[in-house]
Amino acid sequence: EIVMTQSPATLSVSPGERATLSCRASQSVNSNLAWYQQKPGQAPRLLIYGASTRATSIPARFSGSGSGTEFTLTISSLQSEDFAVYYCQQYNNWPPWTFGQGTKVEIK
Amino acid sequence: QVQLQESGPGLVKPSETLSLTCTVSGGSISSYYWSWIRQPPGKGLEWIGYIYYSGSANYNPSLKSRVTISLDTSKNQFSLKLSSVTAADTAVYYCARDIVAVGATWSVRGAFDIWGQGTMVTVSS
Repeated sequence: EIVMTQSPATLSVSPGERATLSCRASQSVNSNLAWYQQKPGQAPRLLIYGASTRATSIPARFSGSGSGTEFTLTISSLQSEDFAVYYCQQYNNWPPWTFGQGTKVEIK
Repeated sequence: QVQLQESGPGLVKPSETLSLTCTVSGGSISSYYWSWIRQPPGKGLEWIGYIYYSGSANYNPSLKSRVTISLDTSKNQFSLKLSSVTAADTAVYYCARDIVAVGATWSVRGAFDIWGQGTMVTVSS
């Protein structure tokens, strides 16, 4: 099973600032990496797939990069609606497909 | 627009079987792969398994001995059964659609673009 490790666990950012979230895989997942956003009481929402492709209707301020074992989600200018928990997920090796433990982006 | 809706009991007794159904509206269940994913309170996400129109299913090895996922194309529904539940199975259970359609080759499957709202299931006597 591939273990996904996200850092930091919590990121404190002021509105308008850039946020950089990291995700590391225990072995290569090529570019088969997705990012999700989850707000309290809601289902996760797909932001990025294929490590860098934005899903439908996702604003351009969200960008993903990386391949192999190291990945980054960048939010270029945080808006109030972006404060949430973010999960990475590998879908290169299964079963099972696995998620990271999440990074909470909170208001500084 | 495709929408998913989970349904089933919110309370299950220990050692019994958890049963949930996901109803797909706005699209055909025969066109995609469909998964169940769960999230214990305050914790992360765990993929449970998937199924597609042929009825072929694949499961998380950690749950494989207790899980069955089935499909009813006539009702546009798929279902989850998890047997011998314990308190550790208490979670919000989500159904989700794979981003890749059956037969498509542009990507490997396993990312989820449409999710149900989730249903909380508590295991308690």
